[in-house]
Amino acid sequence: NAGVTQTPKFRVLKTGQSMTLLCAQDMNHEYMYWYRQDPGMGLRLIHYSVGEGTTAKGEVPDGYNVSRLKKQNFLLGLESAAPSQTSVYFCASSYPGFGVSNQPQHFGDGTRLSIL
Amino acid sequence: AQKITQTQPGMFVQEKEAVTLDCTYDTSDQSYGLFWYKQPSSGEMIFLIYQGSYDEQNATEGRYSLNFQKARKSANLVISASQLGDSAMYFCAMREGQGGTASKLTFGTGTRLQVTL
Repeated sequence: NAGVTQTPKFRVLKTGQSMTLLCAQDMNHEYMYWYRQDPGMGLRLIHYSVGEGTTAKGEVPDGYNVSRLKKQNFLLGLESAAPSQTSVYFCASSYPGFGVSNQPQHFGDGTRLSIL
Repeated sequence: AQKITQTQPGMFVQEKEAVTLDCTYDTSDQSYGLFWYKQPSSGEMIFLIYQGSYDEQNATEGRYSLNFQKARKSANLVISASQLGDSAMYFCAMREGQGGTASKLTFGTGTRLQVTL
């Protein structure tokens, strides 16, 4: 009963390094999302995808890229990590749901990323 | 303007008492949904309860209920008979829109609840 799985769980990077965070879901959800969580700011949407091969920018997309080559996977890339990207990153997935739809987003356990 | 406002950074409640966590929202859409999530110290995000803008009755899920006051644009979470395991961060979130790519959630900044003996 995996749900949404994020790897890695922790990572420390040096400024300028690159890395990819992997999100995998086994619920056959169409929609997937990447958020970052910073103290006192709640969760903010970085990028999202409404289906395989499609991605879109969220609220804070700068410095990140994403890809959705397979329905079950959503990758978040940092090409040149900066200290401002130190954060906890959450992946989520859901069935399509608009406005009053009661479909919740299901979250992974998060990736704690520190950039020195 | 903030779309979701949670004005209580921290709250304390005694075990077995009820507690209300405040959430106000701002939208011009007629169709929207409001969600509450719990984040324990272990870090995961747990979906608790949902209220749709057209729902005439307040949502309930076990010890959780949502006090939905549409005219005031508030969607407060009520936890009855608090337990030590309820100690966590609680987030209110809103989904707007009629369709298309409008499945995005906007989150508030959260309220940290501490349940005491």
